[in-house]
Amino acid sequence: GAGVSQSPSNKVTEKGKDVELRCDPISGHTALYWYRQSLGQGLEFLIYFQGNSAPDKSGLPSDRFSAERTGGSVSTLTIQRTQQEDSAVYLCASSLAADISYEQYFGPGTRLTVT
Amino acid sequence: TQLLEQSPQFLSIQEGENLTVYCNSSSVFSSLQWYRQEPGEGPVLLVTVVTGGEVKKLKRLTFQFGDARKDSSLHITAAQPGDTGLYLCAGENYGGSQGNLIFGKGTKLSVKP
Repeated sequence: GAGVSQSPSNKVTEKGKDVELRCDPISGHTALYWYRQSLGQGLEFLIYFQGNSAPDKSGLPSDRFSAERTGGSVSTLTIQRTQQEDSAVYLCASSLAADISYEQYFGPGTRLTVT
Repeated sequence: TQLLEQSPQFLSIQEGENLTVYCNSSSVFSSLQWYRQEPGEGPVLLVTVVTGGEVKKLKRLTFQFGDARKDSSLHITAAQPGDTGLYLCAGENYGGSQGNLIFGKGTKLSVKP
């Protein structure tokens, strides 16, 4: 079946511009996660959605970062007034909330470069 | 703050060699997962270990969860070039917010033919 898809695969933007990154989770997965992976680093948790509950935003690094999940499916991560330190690969994952081990399935990521 | 330390950070070996990578923490995790990530792709789940002392085998890969559920190891027997990639461990945040996995920085493995 179809996996997690993300778009665009690459995004180059100028410092100060806003960007939107999109994630389409696996159909039927109620949990959706956003992570950031910088070069040589592990995954940094950003935000988590579970069904209709309020999202866990505890990982967002600043108020320039926000995310929405419409209709319990597609999610958009928005970064306002981008800075060079925002350059990274942004990964989205989804999982079946009923799975007690919360196994996550990742998309290929969006590589963001802020010039 | 819970942290997962992975070692070694880099590992370059010849095809056919055995290797072990480690994932250590001072915190207890209710479960721990191992992922492999190839360049330009997202991580792919290899295994989840839940019970202290648990050992799981996946072909030539053997995963072990420490008795105290604070550490884990991944052993690869007779490594092949196809094993090349970034190996990440991730611990489920014990008693913390649901769905928050704590990731290590990974071990970058290169297996040369």
